[in-house]
Amino acid sequence: NAGVTQTPKFRVLKTGQSMTLLCAQDMNHEYMYWYRQDPGMGLRLIHYSVGEGTTAKGEVPDGYNVSRLKKQNFLLGLESAAPSQTSVYFCASSWGSYSGNTIYFGEGSWLTVV
Amino acid sequence: AQKVTQAQTEISVVEKEDVTLDCVYETRDTTYYLFWYKQPPSGELVFLIRRNSFDEQNEISGRYSWNFQKSTSSFNFTITASQVVDSAVYFCALSDDYTGANSKLTFGKGITLSVRP
Repeated sequence: NAGVTQTPKFRVLKTGQSMTLLCAQDMNHEYMYWYRQDPGMGLRLIHYSVGEGTTAKGEVPDGYNVSRLKKQNFLLGLESAAPSQTSVYFCASSWGSYSGNTIYFGEGSWLTVV
Repeated sequence: AQKVTQAQTEISVVEKEDVTLDCVYETRDTTYYLFWYKQPPSGELVFLIRRNSFDEQNEISGRYSWNFQKSTSSFNFTITASQVVDSAVYFCALSDDYTGANSKLTFGKGITLSVRP
């Protein structure tokens, strides 16, 4: 009953360091998403993928890269971390393009850039 | 463009009080879906409800109820007889066909609900 799993859950980075957040889902979902949550801002979409091998930009893509080499995994990369990227990151997945699909979220990854 | 407004930022009530969380949305599409998610202090996002634009019937689930009114573009959430465990941040979200990948959600900024014993 794993659903959407994110690793790591907590991470502290120094400015300029790089890291990758891994998202894995076991529901055979086509669509996967990365959101970030900041105080008073709600959740904002960073990047998303509509299927294996595809990626697309969301609302706030700058400073991030993503890859979807396998259907079940969606990686979010920070090449050169900045303090402005301190946030809580949520991965999510859904069946497909139908706008009524429920989106299932992971438990979040807390990232601090110092 | 789609937009979700949760004008209330923080609400504090005493246990057993009823509380209503407001959500107003904007969309160009005639087909869209509205969602409510709960984020307890532990941080995960818990799905509460999905409502499509063609179904304006109110819904009740235990102490939770939702009032969808297309005429005012609102999808309000009421908790009856609130409990301390209801303390959380509540997000309203919208998914419509103009967001490209249709399942993408546009979130409101969230309402922090505190229920005091």
